[in-house]
Amino acid sequence: DVKVTQSSRYLVKRTGEKVFLECVQDMDHENMFWYRQDPGLGLRLIYFSYDVKMKEKGDIPEGYSVSREKKERFSLILESASTNQTSMYLCASTGQGSPYNEQFFGPGTRLTVL
Amino acid sequence: AQSVTQPDIHITVSEGASLELRCNYSYGATPYLFWYVQSPGQGLQLLLKYFSGDTLVQGIKGFEAEFKRSQSSFNLRKPSVHWSDAAEYFCAVGALGTGNQFYFGTGTSLTVIP
Repeated sequence: DVKVTQSSRYLVKRTGEKVFLECVQDMDHENMFWYRQDPGLGLRLIYFSYDVKMKEKGDIPEGYSVSREKKERFSLILESASTNQTSMYLCASTGQGSPYNEQFFGPGTRLTVL
Repeated sequence: AQSVTQPDIHITVSEGASLELRCNYSYGATPYLFWYVQSPGQGLQLLLKYFSGDTLVQGIKGFEAEFKRSQSSFNLRKPSVHWSDAAEYFCAVGALGTGNQFYFGTGTSLTVIP
């Protein structure tokens, strides 16, 4: 079974703090994704990575950066957290090749920025 | 551009009643289509997927979906809903290209009345 794990289920941070969200997958997947989920807006893609050290912006990259130093790990970084980044963050991974490959999701991190 | 529309934000059904959740997509080529379910506080789990072949696809938990190219639709159905089906449901289309991105609808929240 594919496992995608996220470092925290719940996180509370203060405005201006630097925040790291970690995601690890154990299926040797090439592609990894960070989404943000807000009520009524569904899942919006922040960044994705298709290989180690490779990344591409998604639909809403502003205020975020990412790091992928190892194939299994994909980190989302909020350089200076703001209250409008309070949200549920979901990580996903999928193998290379066909877009018929499903994305496997982690349990999510609910981030609150005070 | 790729997009997915789920016109129903929220649906309420009685336990034992049938269910249909609507999904319309916009995609320039043959679409790769997915339905995911998200139980409260959880990540997303794949219910079923479609690319080609029989247009009626069976999934887990007794769900099925029908692909109708003429209507650009991929509606999810279940003949008899159980209380445990209460969740958020997302339709997605997978796109060819770097990273094989998914495009998600905004979701439909299902409430099941005993």
